[in-house]
Amino acid sequence: QKEVEQDPGPLSVPEGAIVSLNCTYSNSAFQYFMWYRQYSRKGPELLMYTYSSGNKEDGRFTAQVDKSSKYISLFIRDSQPSDSATYLCAMSAITSQGAQKLVFGQGTRLTINP
Amino acid sequence: GAVVSQHPSRVICKSGTSVKIECRSLDFQATTMFWYRQFPKKSLMLMATSNEGSKATYEQGVEKDKFLINHASLTLSTLTVTSAHPEDSSFYICSARRGAARPYEQYFGPGTRLTVT
Repeated sequence: QKEVEQDPGPLSVPEGAIVSLNCTYSNSAFQYFMWYRQYSRKGPELLMYTYSSGNKEDGRFTAQVDKSSKYISLFIRDSQPSDSATYLCAMSAITSQGAQKLVFGQGTRLTINP
Repeated sequence: GAVVSQHPSRVICKSGTSVKIECRSLDFQATTMFWYRQFPKKSLMLMATSNEGSKATYEQGVEKDKFLINHASLTLSTLTVTSAHPEDSSFYICSARRGAARPYEQYFGPGTRLTVT
């Protein structure tokens, strides 16, 4: 079993739809949960991060973490064609040695159709 | 925000030759740099972690003699693919972070597309 599981899609939705992207994980030591957006042939850019459980909202984006279920989600409201990209979840922890390496999900390819 | 650059953005080389990719942190001192490899429609695969002035730590299955990593300064790390073969063709991405950074304070470069003919 992979540490982080993410449905690779592809996911195609009409413009204006609400998009839900999800990841599950197995390592209960993870404390930080990140979502990255990656456009084709570019490096990943950080969209949002959450520490521990709960919700975090930033404009049209909402990140949710449910540590009891080991499940995280990213919601995109009023989706736009410019949101078309690959979305990667990533997780990590901080130990006595400092921040640990990021563990990435496979990434979900999202297309928003005008 | 923190900026990480990579050079070149794209390189084509012949089989058997070596190619060097540079990763620079432009506006901060990167204590730690990471090198990833990404195949089409796949996630990022961590190849190695390098700390400034120390030898890189390679992930299991990554040949350290083939992928030479140097992190000689706090703003520059290099990845040299030695004796490249077509199967080394891939998208290579570096990232960098300061000491005592949080996991989300790891900044990614734009990537380098390597094609070995």
